[in-house]
Order: sequence, then C-alpha cells, then structure tokens
Amino acid sequence: QLQLQESGPGLLKPSETLSLTCTVSGGSISSSSYYWGWIRQPPGKGLDWIASIYYTGSTYYNPSLKSRVTISVDTSKNQFSLKLSSVTAADTAVYYCFRQPLGTFDYWGQGTLVTVSS
Amino acid sequence: QSALTQPPSASGSPGQSVTISCTGTSSDVGGYNYVSWYQQHPGKAPKLMIYEDSKRPSGVPDRFSGSKSGNTASLTVSGLQAEDEADYYCSSYAGSNIFYVFGTGTKVTVL
Repeated sequence: QLQLQESGPGLLKPSETLSLTCTVSGGSISSSSYYWGWIRQPPGKGLDWIASIYYTGSTYYNPSLKSRVTISVDTSKNQFSLKLSSVTAADTAVYYCFRQPLGTFDYWGQGTLVTVSS
Repeated sequence: QSALTQPPSASGSPGQSVTISCTGTSSDVGGYNYVSWYQQHPGKAPKLMIYEDSKRPSGVPDRFSGSKSGNTASLTVSGLQAEDEADYYCSSYAGSNIFYVFGTGTKVTVL
C-alpha cells in the first residue's frame, strides 16, 4: 500500500525558509504515470495547491506562490521536497504531500502543521 | 485565480440524499473533464472520492456519484450515513497557467 509521510520543522520565524520532505513508501516515485506535489490548508480554511513535480524534474507551480517556491525530487531516496522562502504568518498551514495521476490527487500524506510565529 | 464556489453547508437525515454543487468557469470546470471531489474528516487528510468528473476510485462506496453540466459539477451522496458527515471539496484542472483550483468547501451534516 502506497504511503506518503511529510517531515520537517513545525515552527518557523517570519522571513525564514520553510523546508519539507515527503518520503514515499510502497511504490516508486519514478513511476511514469504520476506527478508528486504539495497542497496546504490554513487552519479552518480550504485547500490550496502549491506545486507538482515529475520524477524527471519537470515542475509547475501555483502562480501566486511561484516566486517563493521550489519543489525538487530525489529518486535515489524516493523523496521529494518543498522550499518556501520568506514565510509570514499567512503561510501557517497544514502541508500535505500527494501523488497526482492526470487531473487529480489520489494519495495524500497525513499532513504536517507548520506555524510561522515570532 | 478564484476558488470554485461551493455552498458552505448541506444536510440530510440518514438514508436521504444530499447534493453539493461546485461552480467554476469555462476555463476550469467547464473546460476539462478533470473535476475531483474529496472528503475530509476533522484532523484528517482529504480522501479522493470522485475523479474525472464522475469516476469512483476503488473502495469508494457507490453511494457517492459525480456529474457535471456546463461550468457546474455536483457530488451526490445517496443513502446518507453518519460517517458521511465531513467537509467536501471539489477541485478542477484549470489549464497550463493556473493548473489546479479548489472549491471553497462544503460541510455536510447528517441530522
């Protein structure tokens, strides 16, 4: 059974860089059928897609976050990662990693809460 | 990019049906056959319930069905059960500039 697990710091100060890693088990991140990526959900609010990546390194980003976001993949570790620079309180959210067949998000990690506070 | 519009809440008694709408534009919902629906219980990750407008993943009960007409997609839950009480979100592919948008979310209450 495919599993995704997010990891990374849960507390950041304003202006710092958020770094999260998603480890995939039970399947290969190098599968030709899937993109992988990140979605976030501020407390009590809805879902926002952040970015997606293919195992070859092909990426695409939410235009509203593109200037601050980098997504990368490490096929040797079966992992992919997210970096979000210059964070503010508005970036406080639960961050989920996902697997993405064409047009949808079918497997999700459990989510990790990242809080930005001074 | 604007979020897709969903009603904030919907409700029904056990055994009844509830339908949730998801309204977008011809640039997202109406332009592609890539509307998905997700169920989210409190404190849990979203779970895929419908993809490609009306297809059900393996393991999702056939009480859940999806449809689309023009720029509005709908999720119907038939034979409501207590465990169906959750938040529901739609999403749609929105082309190669915006890529993906989500709905505003609907809280379904089983009375």
